[in-house]
Amino acid sequence: DTEVTQTPKHLVMGMTNKKSLKCEQHMGHRAMYWYKQKAKKPPELMFVYSYEKLSINESVPSRFSPECPNSSLLNLHLHALQPEDSALYLCASSQDGLGRTGELFFGEGSRLTVL
Amino acid sequence: AQKVTQAQTEISVVEKEDVTLDCVYETRDTTYYLFWYKQPPSGELVFLIRRNSFDEQNEISGRYSWNFQKSTSSFNFTITASQVVDSAVYFCALSEVSTNAGKSTFGDGTTLTVKP
Repeated sequence: DTEVTQTPKHLVMGMTNKKSLKCEQHMGHRAMYWYKQKAKKPPELMFVYSYEKLSINESVPSRFSPECPNSSLLNLHLHALQPEDSALYLCASSQDGLGRTGELFFGEGSRLTVL
Repeated sequence: AQKVTQAQTEISVVEKEDVTLDCVYETRDTTYYLFWYKQPPSGELVFLIRRNSFDEQNEISGRYSWNFQKSTSSFNFTITASQVVDSAVYFCALSEVSTNAGKSTFGDGTTLTVKP
């Protein structure tokens, strides 16, 4: 069983909706990540939180808004998305708070469909 | 800039065959980490191995083995006596320590199909 839990597993939303993806880990990891993955492509980094502070934003459109309420939780708020944003959204964590040396532990992902 | 190349897009083998997945990387850092991840159809990426740039020892874990060669910038992954459950997409990844911290670079992945 994965130790990174993502909800919901599937989400269908319209372009005017507001929704959120949630991620939780209880391994005491100090870095948490959001990745986006399109079919038959590698994961693309979106955001990194290091010690609960946003450390990396890979020029992601503002319709994606991350939030790290505490060291165990990571949210991704979605608003006014486009159909091309449909993808698998993966949350990951690493013990190494600076994200340099540690392996990533991934959740099962939230599969998002934007109509 | 860091780059990872997995030249094999798809590989198909019959059960019990051995198969090697290739990974070639580029980096200017002298200190870096290499990883392999497995992504089964369920979607979750599963960490398989981590290697740092100062440790060129090959590693074996059950049917899995990894060959790290700095001279050729390669980190290849071999599955011995493949099984149907090995069918998945396998990603090689690179993480630099001094630059691009937090930004693991993934190869495009190799889809392995093991037929019974």
